[in-house]
Amino acid sequence: KAGVTQTPRYLIKTRGQQVTLSCSPISGHRSVSWYQQTPGQGLQFLFEYFSETQRNKGNFPGRFSGRQFSNSRSEMNVSTLELGDSALYLCASSLWQGDYEQYFGPGTRLTVT
Amino acid sequence: GESVGLHLPTLSVQEGDNSIINCAYSNSASDYFIWYKQESGKGPQFIIDIRSNMDKRQGQRVTVLLNKTVKHLSLQIAATQPGDSAVYFCAENGRDIDMRFGAGTRLTVKP
Repeated sequence: KAGVTQTPRYLIKTRGQQVTLSCSPISGHRSVSWYQQTPGQGLQFLFEYFSETQRNKGNFPGRFSGRQFSNSRSEMNVSTLELGDSALYLCASSLWQGDYEQYFGPGTRLTVT
Repeated sequence: GESVGLHLPTLSVQEGDNSIINCAYSNSASDYFIWYKQESGKGPQFIIDIRSNMDKRQGQRVTVLLNKTVKHLSLQIAATQPGDSAVYFCAENGRDIDMRFGAGTRLTVKP
């Protein structure tokens, strides 16, 4: 089975711009979670999607949003980028909502200049 | 506030020795704990998990110990190999609890 894939792997954006990141879960997995990883804050939960609905959300501003499609693929969007948004964005898939066993993708490295 | 943390940010061991990586948690409602390994340029990789109704679980060369009394979690790696060099994260989860990760411990294996 193919693992979780994320595109693009690297991205450079300017402050004020917006960005969309994509995640394709493992085949058969219906839940997708997003995390932000920074040296200062570590790994932090952004949100979880299941059946095209956001089921859970972490403590991030409304500039961070996401969606899930009927094929379970997910996108996350960050609007009005700030320098502090520079991070590795990780997507993890699992079979069901709230499933503890998650499988991570390689991440998208976002740099905001 | 509630937190998940690691006792040591770095750990250096000799190849062949056993490694012990520690983690403290404070959310008593957590009932599921996971250890992840993250190599450079990759996402976290699931190593082993343990539920709160257990105090020990063994995998291939790895053992996780859970001490609920002091809210402590540890990962033991037997016969550490150079390929074990990575950052190790503990994470806690539970019903109505978001997955929360520790800061990570960088394990370096010296040949």
